[in-house]
Amino acid sequence: DTAVSQTPKYLVTQMGNDKSIKCEQNLGHDTMYWYKQDSKKFLKIMFSYNNKELIINETVPNRFSPKSPDKAHLNLHINSLELGDSAVYFCASSRRLAGGADTQYFGPGTRLTVL
Amino acid sequence: TQLLEQSPQFLSIQEGENLTVYCNSSSVFSSLQWYRQEPGEGPVLLVTVVTGGEVKKLKRLTFQFGDARKDSSLHITAAQPGDTGLYLCAGTNFGNEKLTFGTGTRLTIIP
Repeated sequence: DTAVSQTPKYLVTQMGNDKSIKCEQNLGHDTMYWYKQDSKKFLKIMFSYNNKELIINETVPNRFSPKSPDKAHLNLHINSLELGDSAVYFCASSRRLAGGADTQYFGPGTRLTVL
Repeated sequence: TQLLEQSPQFLSIQEGENLTVYCNSSSVFSSLQWYRQEPGEGPVLLVTVVTGGEVKKLKRLTFQFGDARKDSSLHITAAQPGDTGLYLCAGTNFGNEKLTFGTGTRLTIIP
């Protein structure tokens, strides 16, 4: 069974559109994250939620809005997509928010291409 | 902004050779992790080191955390094609809940 799953795996869309990426974890973890990995493979945290509460919000344009309907889900909605949003987006979860030293389990990623 | 610089950025060696990947920063970290990422997948945790000077071994992989907790190294003995992947170090700070990832090392082991 997949521990952290994301949909869709690939997303190709036009500039200006609005899109969502969904993430679910079946590990019973309290904390979930969104990361962005650019074309140079640099991985940077965007958001983290602990028990549905926003904990970390890095300097991310407010076109990006995470939503956590429950502990097992963290979705990412992106408005007015721009070319620079093209990247691979990873969802991750960890048992608890513990200085980041806890093991983070990553999903398979969603490759977003904005044309 | 804390930066974790990895070197080399790319490494391609023959099967059976040894190699070392470095992860350096000017900042002190409370813990440091190493991940491996394969194409089309998310990173997978290999190890966490938390004590300055700590050495951990995982089969042919040896991880070391620097005494000053500013750097780490990953040494692979007798590399195999299955070791091919993107290796990422990631650090956390006291009182800071987020992981800061390194710049990555793309390792290719040639059979």
